[in-house]
Amino acid sequence: EVQLVESGGGLVQPGGSLRLSCAVSGFTFSRYWMHWVRRGPGKGLVWVSRINSDGSSTSYADSVKGRFTISRDNAKNTLYLQMNSLRANDTAIYYCARVTGYNTPLDYWGQGTLVTVSS
Amino acid sequence: DIVMTQSPDSLAVSLGERATINCKSSQSVLYSSNNKNYLAWYQQKPGQPPKLLFYWASTRESGVPDRFSGSGSGTDFTLTISSLQAEDVAVYFCQQYFGTPYTFGQGTKLEIK
Repeated sequence: EVQLVESGGGLVQPGGSLRLSCAVSGFTFSRYWMHWVRRGPGKGLVWVSRINSDGSSTSYADSVKGRFTISRDNAKNTLYLQMNSLRANDTAIYYCARVTGYNTPLDYWGQGTLVTVSS
Repeated sequence: DIVMTQSPDSLAVSLGERATINCKSSQSVLYSSNNKNYLAWYQQKPGQPPKLLFYWASTRESGVPDRFSGSGSGTDFTLTISSLQAEDVAVYFCQQYFGTPYTFGQGTKLEIK
């Protein structure tokens, strides 16, 4: 059974940092591209970032470029999102999601982890 | 960036009736070399992650009831529920995966009338 489990969310002050993790099981992690998507309170889904299967290529939404870094450890079956210089409008549930390849839909999603940026 | 616009923002339909949600992209998501539309539909229920319903605009994901259908091409797409059931109450999102940044529609909230 495919499973994606996010962790690392919490309350952080503006300007602070958090590192999200997404532990996966039930599939060969090293073969799949992975994404982060967020949904703010009362808002829609927003794509955040993606990484290719070996970690050599990444892409970011303009709103997080230069502040967030996506990475992965294929030996640990884990995806990461390092979030720095956090702002109030980064408050959201953050989901990791799997895709089967380049330019394919998000077929499996984790349950999400809540990040709240507030003083 | 490709802008995805859904209509309506919210929709109330009686049980057993048809529900139709529209999605329009600011540029075509049809890739001419393979004649595929890079368009997906997701369903999100409260407290749950999004669930993939359709990809390539009209290919139903395994396990999705056949009362759901996806259609359209180029820039205009439709998600139809032929006979609304209580468990279909959710927010529905379209999404283009033609290129990054992937972009989503704003969502359509579907309720029971």
